[in-house]
Amino acid sequence: DVKVTQSSRYLVKRTGEKVFLECVQDMDHENMFWYRQDPGLGLRLIYFSYDVKMKEKGDIPEGYSVSREKKERFSLILESASTNQTSMYLCASSLKEPYEQYFGPGTRLTVT
Amino acid sequence: AQKITQTQPGMFVQEKEAVTLDCTYDTSDPSYGLFWYKQPSSGEMIFLIYQGSYDQQNATEGRYSLNFQKARKSANLVISASQLGDSAMYFCAMREGFYNQGGKLIFGQGTELSVKP
Repeated sequence: DVKVTQSSRYLVKRTGEKVFLECVQDMDHENMFWYRQDPGLGLRLIYFSYDVKMKEKGDIPEGYSVSREKKERFSLILESASTNQTSMYLCASSLKEPYEQYFGPGTRLTVT
Repeated sequence: AQKITQTQPGMFVQEKEAVTLDCTYDTSDPSYGLFWYKQPSSGEMIFLIYQGSYDQQNATEGRYSLNFQKARKSANLVISASQLGDSAMYFCAMREGFYNQGGKLIFGQGTELSVKP
């Protein structure tokens, strides 16, 4: 079974802090994704990566950056957390072909 | 403009009955894929079913089937014989183009399904 793990299920941070969300997949997938999910808005893509050290902006990249130094790991960075970044963050991975994305359990981030 | 539209924010169904969750999409790309995901209260997104734009037959996976009407740009999910464990949020998603880099998905707003005993 594909396994996508995220470093924390719940996280509470203060405004202005630097926040790291880690995602690891164990199926040698080329593609990895970071989404945020907010009620009534569905999932919105923040960043994705189709190869090591490659990254592409999604629909809402402002305030975020990413890092992919190894194939299995994709990190989302909030350089200076703000209260409007309080949300559920979901990581996903997939093969290159048009197959389904596999999701991690999500991290519920609260910025106070 | 919304590329994926799910017009039912919430739905109720009686246990053991069938239910249809609506999804319409908008794309000018002839090659695309449509996905349905289930998100229980635990939060994890679970892949249910996939339909490619060139697939002639409607996709089926166990109790799930996708009613694909290309001309109407609709991809409704049908769940037969609903079970209490089907209570969850359901998301429709689309991937435009095959083999494009990254395989981005565009998600709808979701439909919350509640199954009544």
